[in-house]
Amino acid sequence: DIRMTQSPSSLSASVGDRVTITCRASQGIRNDLGWYQQKPGKAPKRLIYAASSLQSGVPSRFSGSGSGTEFTLTISSLQPEDFATYYCLQHNSYPSFGGGTKVEIK
Amino acid sequence: EVQLVESGGGLVQPGGSLKLSCAASGFTFSGSAMHWVRQASGKGLEWVGRIRSKANSYATEYAASVKGRFTISRDDSKNMAYLQMNSLKTEDTAVYYCVITTFDYWGQGTLVTVSS
Repeated sequence: DIRMTQSPSSLSASVGDRVTITCRASQGIRNDLGWYQQKPGKAPKRLIYAASSLQSGVPSRFSGSGSGTEFTLTISSLQPEDFATYYCLQHNSYPSFGGGTKVEIK
Repeated sequence: EVQLVESGGGLVQPGGSLKLSCAASGFTFSGSAMHWVRQASGKGLEWVGRIRSKANSYATEYAASVKGRFTISRDDSKNMAYLQMNSLKTEDTAVYYCVITTFDYWGQGTLVTVSS
């Protein structure tokens, strides 16, 4: 099974900050990775697919990069509505999620 | 518009059984694999299992934590997917989501509580 190690597990940031979240796969997964945002009581919402493709309707301040085993989600300028928990998901093999990153207000 | 609506959650005693349903619409259900994902309160997301399409022989795969206890099935004539959960444990308590094969559409989730 492929293990996804996500870091950090939480971070505090201010509106306007640049935020970077990383996922590392225990083995190569090509670009079979998505990034999700989840707010309390809601289902996850996909932001990025195929590691770097922006989901339709998602603001361009969100971007993804990486391939193989190292992946990054970047929020270029954090907005109030971006305070949430973020997860990576690999679907190269049996799907598995990263542990999540909670983005909190500083 | 793609819609996934789960139902069937509730309170069940340890060792008991429960069957969740997922009603799908807005896409070609018969051609799509369907996943179940769960999330315990305050915890992360956990993939539960998947059922593939008829073209892939309705093959199923499960997470190690539920293999042998949970069974995923589907009825393409009704656009429905199911999760049969047997021998439930307290650690199965979670919100259960059904998810389309591409992981871009999720249901709203249904809560399963396993407690005596």
